[in-house]
Amino acid sequence: DAKTTQPPSMDCAEGRAANLPCNHSTISGNEYVYWYRQIHSQGPQYIIHGLKNNETNEMASLIITEDRKSSTLILPHATLRDTAVYYCIVRVAPNAGKSTFGDGTTLTVKP
Amino acid sequence: KAGVTQTPRYLIKTRGQQVTLSCSPISGHRSVSWYQQTPGQGLQFLFEYFSETQRNKGNFPGRFSGRQFSNSRSEMNVSTLELGDSALYLCASSLNLGANTEAFFGQGTRLTVV
Repeated sequence: DAKTTQPPSMDCAEGRAANLPCNHSTISGNEYVYWYRQIHSQGPQYIIHGLKNNETNEMASLIITEDRKSSTLILPHATLRDTAVYYCIVRVAPNAGKSTFGDGTTLTVKP
Repeated sequence: KAGVTQTPRYLIKTRGQQVTLSCSPISGHRSVSWYQQTPGQGLQFLFEYFSETQRNKGNFPGRFSGRQFSNSRSEMNVSTLELGDSALYLCASSLNLGANTEAFFGQGTRLTVV
């Protein structure tokens, strides 16, 4: 399974866009990129996922580079409640459930 | 619809005892995965079940076991508890084994071994 690399921490001003990068240079063609976040030892919350096209939902946008070796999660208008640890993982069938979570990025949104 | 339900939410056990944790997946979901989260090791994969069969297993000792029932509910069991087993145990459910299928996590069971 492809491994991911994320910066350990980032800060963002409230109301501004938060751009969280993830490197997955060894990703294979059938691996999907997923983003989750975890707030205060609660269960990780699904945010968004994609294969090669950019994706957007009510929570965030996911930009995947053309070579698929990296991606960026964009929270368009960060709020204090977005402060969390953000995990970027890859999933591939049939081992999709066996995801490797790295250390993630701790995003701190500041007023 | 209801999310993933894990019971109990908190548990305190003594070294040497055994423990059983339960996970009820989202209705219609047939795949259940279990993870252990500790401050030092982060989120680590334990095992994955689909249609009552274990499909994948992580690098944990045999004291950790699990099973899945015909209604997709899953249990995990830890025997001969050690202090290092203190952790947040998380269960995730997904519709199937496909990679293009979101996995949704429960709130976890926090196990403390004393």
